[in-house]
Amino acid sequence: QVQLVQSGAEVKKPGASVKVSCKASGYTFTSHGISWARQAPGQGLEWMGWISGYNGNTKYAQKLQGRVTMTTDTSTSTAYMELRSLRSDDTAVYYCAREVGGYEPNWGQGTLVTVSS
Amino acid sequence: EIVMTQSPATLSVSPGERATLSCRASQSVSSNLAWYQQKPGQAPRLLIYGASTRATGIPARFSGSGSGTEFTLTISSLQSEDFAVYYCQQYNNWPYAFGQGTKLEIK
Repeated sequence: QVQLVQSGAEVKKPGASVKVSCKASGYTFTSHGISWARQAPGQGLEWMGWISGYNGNTKYAQKLQGRVTMTTDTSTSTAYMELRSLRSDDTAVYYCAREVGGYEPNWGQGTLVTVSS
Repeated sequence: EIVMTQSPATLSVSPGERATLSCRASQSVSSNLAWYQQKPGQAPRLLIYGASTRATGIPARFSGSGSGTEFTLTISSLQSEDFAVYYCQQYNNWPYAFGQGTKLEIK
């Protein structure tokens, strides 16, 4: 069965960077993209971006352009999301999801990133 | 960028009754529209894709309709486990976007 296992919770100071990993199993990693979304406390879902599992092409939300980088390591079927210059409003649960034709049928368990001085 | 708007923000319905949730896109997204359910402390769960196709394992009481800019998620005969937050998402154009969500609560 498809599984996406994310790295553990992180606490970061403002201005720092965080890198969240998402290890996929149960399907051919290079056949699907990985989407990333986040959810601030008590708020809705925010689409962050997408990376192709095949060739690493990316699409990012405009508001995160310049601060976010998504990468993959096909040898380990792992996707990564790095967010730089962290601010308090980046505090959120970050999710990865397997993308199939644009929608996401499988999601990771989420990673809480807390930005606090 | 396409903006997705869901209504109402909160919907109070009694168990056994029907719930109708709406989602509007700021421009046409064809049928490239998905619905997700999210319960507290859990990741989203895909319910509907292609505006009207139920995802694997989703009960038949969930149905989706619409195309272009207007979409509806209908839950017939609400069960206790259906009370949650529901999000629509367009995947017709980059950047993809979620609606702000509709909270379905017990009346």
